[in-house]
Amino acid sequence: GEDVEQSLFLSVREGDSSVINCTYTDSSSTYLYWYKQEPGAGLQLLTYIFSNMDMKQDQRLTVLLNKKDKHLSLRIADTQTGDSAIYFCAETLIFGQGTELSVKP
Amino acid sequence: DTGVSQNPRHKITKRGQNVTFRCDPISEHNRLYWYRQTLGQGPEFLTYFQNEAQLEKSRLLSDRFSAERPKGSFSTLEIQRTEQGDSAMYLCASSGVGGTGVRANYGYTFGSGTRLTVV
Repeated sequence: GEDVEQSLFLSVREGDSSVINCTYTDSSSTYLYWYKQEPGAGLQLLTYIFSNMDMKQDQRLTVLLNKKDKHLSLRIADTQTGDSAIYFCAETLIFGQGTELSVKP
Repeated sequence: DTGVSQNPRHKITKRGQNVTFRCDPISEHNRLYWYRQTLGQGPEFLTYFQNEAQLEKSRLLSDRFSAERPKGSFSTLEIQRTEQGDSAMYLCASSGVGGTGVRANYGYTFGSGTRLTVV
């Protein structure tokens, strides 16, 4: 069945780049998504990438898609303490477990 | 439009009781989704509607769970004979249509959720 997997934790220093990785199984998804959930808050759509693209850049965010390996990554440049949150990768209806990003000053 | 609205925000119920949650999606969105999220986990897909049609319900957790969207606007999720394991955050999301089929949507707008505690 469909599955999305992510590493559970990532810790970085303020100002460094963060890279959150995800693998998925459903190759028929037209779009793949990254959502952000801050403590005590709801899920917010952060960005998405069309499946026939291999990269999308949006300000500090870069999404890379390797469709052959079914691998998606989210890079956050110049990570700030306000970026501390849980990041979810999703394809169509299925979400990953989330990667908790901790940014240390 | 103020986004996706869910009511109530919190619900405490005794084991064995029935509960119903309501979701009002963004008015121009024709797709509506229900998810369940437990602590430390990602949202777990339950069911979704396109307009009033329920297009996927095989992932509803048991036959105690049911959902409706009678007029293609708001939706309700009912859990009958609640169990302690049903305690979770129940999330609703909506999306518009892009391209063809559910695989071509531009991402969801989530509500704040209904937190259910079964005691």
